[in-house]
Amino acid sequence: SYEVTQPLSVSVALGQTARVTCGGNNIGSKNVNWYQQKSGQAPVLVISRDNNRPSGIPERFSGSNSWNTATLTISRAQAGDEADYYCQVWDSSTARVVFGGGTKLTVL
Amino acid sequence: EAQLVESGGGFVKPGGSLRLSCAASGFSFSNAWMSWVRQAPGKGLEWVGRIRSKTDGGTTEYAATVKGRFTISRDDSKNTLFLQMSNLKTEDTAVYYCTTQLMTSVTYFDYWGQGTLVTVSS
Repeated sequence: SYEVTQPLSVSVALGQTARVTCGGNNIGSKNVNWYQQKSGQAPVLVISRDNNRPSGIPERFSGSNSWNTATLTISRAQAGDEADYYCQVWDSSTARVVFGGGTKLTVL
Repeated sequence: EAQLVESGGGFVKPGGSLRLSCAASGFSFSNAWMSWVRQAPGKGLEWVGRIRSKTDGGTTEYAATVKGRFTISRDDSKNTLFLQMSNLKTEDTAVYYCTTQLMTSVTYFDYWGQGTLVTVSS
């Protein structure tokens, strides 16, 4: 079955750019979606289909996907961006949803 | 805006059953594909399964960990999604989220409920 891998944690200085990666075999051929989950809250979709921001998500959030790595980029990081971030794909070979293990973003 | 409200969580012994509900509003429920996603305490997200709209066949798909024990159904007349869980195991302890998939051609979850906690313990 398909697997995706995320780093356990990423740190970024306030106002700098954070990059959270999601690795998988030829993940560039799949649609990658990203969710933000703040402590004690339900997840929120922040990027769909590699690089599409839902209404209400700041332009500071962007996504890219190529070859074996998809990346969520958060520009001008703010304290309010501290959260767990999950990538998600659809594994068509098994007809199952696959989530990454999640990355804890810390803003210093 | 879409709103999803789960209910039915609680404490159950191993081997027991529980039925979760999700009341939906603010979008065309009958046209939406719906999924359940769960999160064990301190762990990541795990997809449980989904149900297509009736116009797309109303069929279901499940994660291997719950297949044969969990059943997803829907009542479009009441805008409600259900998750019937049987033969529950301690590892089913989690917050269960109801989610929408409004774009049927690509699987991602636009909206999430606040979740309902299921605790399986003797």
